[in-house]
Amino acid sequence: DTGVSQDPRHKITKRGQNVTFRCDPISEHNRLYWYRQTLGQGPEFLTYFQNEAQLEKSRLLSDRFSAERPKGSFSTLEIQRTEQGDSAMYLCASSWGDRVLDGYTFGSGTRLTVV
Amino acid sequence: DQQVKQNSPSLSVQEGRISILNCDYTNSMFDYFLWYKKYPAEGPTFLISISSIKDKNEDGRFTVFLNKSAKHLSLHIVPSQPGDSAVYFCAASQSFSGNTPLVFGKGTRLSVIA
Repeated sequence: DTGVSQDPRHKITKRGQNVTFRCDPISEHNRLYWYRQTLGQGPEFLTYFQNEAQLEKSRLLSDRFSAERPKGSFSTLEIQRTEQGDSAMYLCASSWGDRVLDGYTFGSGTRLTVV
Repeated sequence: DQQVKQNSPSLSVQEGRISILNCDYTNSMFDYFLWYKKYPAEGPTFLISISSIKDKNEDGRFTVFLNKSAKHLSLHIVPSQPGDSAVYFCAASQSFSGNTPLVFGKGTRLSVIA
């Protein structure tokens, strides 16, 4: 197993364009999380899935953001009509769900730059 | 409102000495705490965790101490090595089963000087 994979590693887009990121979790992990990190801040929770069900979304998450996890495998995060404030590192993580003390496994992230 | 606070943005320590990274939290419902390490251009990597029924947990050179009454935890690294230079994040959760996602602090950048 190669861990959590995220694609692309970097994305530069013009303001107003839509972007989509992909995350492939560790295969036996049933939970998948999306976080966002900006410079000087810690990871900020966006949303998470247990299998294919989206169980929680951050109240801070704009309607322009949507995430899916079809068939409980990989996940996609789409941002519509991007804004400069969306520029950040988008981190995906996965876990085997029932013991928080084992931690999440994070991918290397997708760095989004909106120009 | 920051529920998990790491008030020291950076810390420099000599190689071989002890590094102490601090974390405070405001939400009394938090019972589970984790530390992560992050190198540039990589995702955070899980280091060590502790639940509120314990006040100490050790794993090799890393020890986490929890003072629940003070809502404070700390990560001790002994002895510090240059490879420990990274950003360290404290994270907290209310749920043993992870039903509530981890809440992270802003991180502390540790520099270990040879």
